[in-house]
Amino acid sequence: QKEVEQNSGPLSVPEGAIASLNCTYSDRGSQSFFWYRQYSGKSPELIMFIYSNGDKEDGRFTAQLNKASQYVSLLIRDSQPSDSATYLCAAARTGNTPLVFGKGTRLSVIA
Amino acid sequence: SAVISQKPSRDICQRGTSLTIQCQVDSQVTMMFWYRQQPGQSLTLIATANQGSEATYESGFVIDKFPISRPNLTFSTLTVSNMSPEDSSIYLCSGLVPAKNIQYFGAGTRLSVL
Repeated sequence: QKEVEQNSGPLSVPEGAIASLNCTYSDRGSQSFFWYRQYSGKSPELIMFIYSNGDKEDGRFTAQLNKASQYVSLLIRDSQPSDSATYLCAAARTGNTPLVFGKGTRLSVIA
Repeated sequence: SAVISQKPSRDICQRGTSLTIQCQVDSQVTMMFWYRQQPGQSLTLIATANQGSEATYESGFVIDKFPISRPNLTFSTLTVSNMSPEDSSIYLCSGLVPAKNIQYFGAGTRLSVL
């Protein structure tokens, strides 16, 4: 059973702080990892993707991957109230396989 | 990003009826998927839409209930058949852009069954 696990939250952080979102996956064959942001009533929007061990930075977002520990994380620096949303972690075996999603972590950034 | 157009955006339907959801993608997309998101839950894959052949369904989903067509590379439909209130959910179409190995999502169809 391929599973992606996330803490459902809510995770509350003050504005300007760093939000840290975590995800673990069970399928060692997973090669690609994605973070989607989903606002209430909207469809998922891709935030970051990562394929290799280590860190990948894009603006205020940093994705981290540790394949040995089967662990993926997303850091959001200088959190803003507009970052309040549900963040979905997803994994895929190859480029032609569908994503397996975690249940999502609800983030609340308090002004 | 890829353009994924999905319609209708929402509908309210009576028990026992069927609804067909349409998804149009741009030419970057090769694979298309259909997901369901029940209230407060994450996304569950219903099936992979295969061009010109029967869709590949995930465990728990059957063709009689969720018939899917993909007559060409850029268009697919999902029908929710003989609906019951338990089918009330958001249905999402997704397209994979292989050059980027990224899946993009349509805006979703919010279905309520009375």
